Amino acid sequence: EAQVTQNPRYLITVTGKKLTVTCSQNMNHEYMSWYRQDPGLGLRQIYYSMNVEVTDKGDVPEGYKVSRKEKRNFPLILESPSPNQTSLYFCASSYGAQQPQHFGDGTRLSIL
Amino acid sequence: TQLLEQSPQFLSIQEGENLTVYCNSSSVFSSLQWYRQEPGEGPVLLVTVVTGGEVKKLKRLTFQFGDARKDSSLHITAAQPGDTGLYLCAGSVPPSYGKLTFGQGTILTVHP
Repeated sequence: EAQVTQNPRYLITVTGKKLTVTCSQNMNHEYMSWYRQDPGLGLRQIYYSMNVEVTDKGDVPEGYKVSRKEKRNFPLILESPSPNQTSLYFCASSYGAQQPQHFGDGTRLSIL
Repeated sequence: TQLLEQSPQFLSIQEGENLTVYCNSSSVFSSLQWYRQEPGEGPVLLVTVVTGGEVKKLKRLTFQFGDARKDSSLHITAAQPGDTGLYLCAGSVPPSYGKLTFGQGTILTVHP
C-alpha cells in the first residue's frame, strides 16, 4: 500500500531534549516536505527536499533541521526543542511540489 | 502576512445549502491545489487547477482558477454532512517551485 509513515504519532517531552521525528515513503517520490499545523495558521512549510541530498528552507525553518540521505526517508530533527514548537507536524511526499502531496497521519508534539 | 488568504475561516450551514470558499493572493501561482482534511488525518488532495480560467468539477464540488492565476474558489452545491471538514488551498509561486504555501483553511460544518 502506498503510504507516508511518520513516527512517533504522539510525543510529550521537555525543553532542550533533542528529538527526531521520522518520515518514510514507499512511492519512490523525489519531493518530500515537513509542515507544522497550528490553529488559524493552516499548514506552514518547515523544510522541503527536491531529491536526495537536496534540502531547502520553507517558511518557518528556525529551530529545525532535516536530512535526506536516502530517497525514502526525511527525518525532522529538533536539536533543542522549545514550547513554541508544540504543534501538529505533517510529512508529505510527491513527484514534485506541484504534484499531489501525499501526507502522513501527523505527529502531535508537546514540548513542556 | 499570509501569501494565500482563505475566506471564510469558518462556515456553518444546513444540509442542502450551497457555499463558496475563496482563496486569494496578490501573487501569481503556477498552479493551485485544493485539499480536504478530516480530524486526526493528513490532508487529501481534491483537485489541482493549472490554467487561468480553468473550471473543474468533482461531483457537487466546482473549482475555479482565476484568469490571472492569483485566486481560486471552491463551490459546493447542496452540501451534505459528509462534506464537513477543513478545506485548504495551496500553491507555489515561480520561481520557488519547491516552496509550497497553504492558506489558513476553512472549517466547514454541515448540519443534518
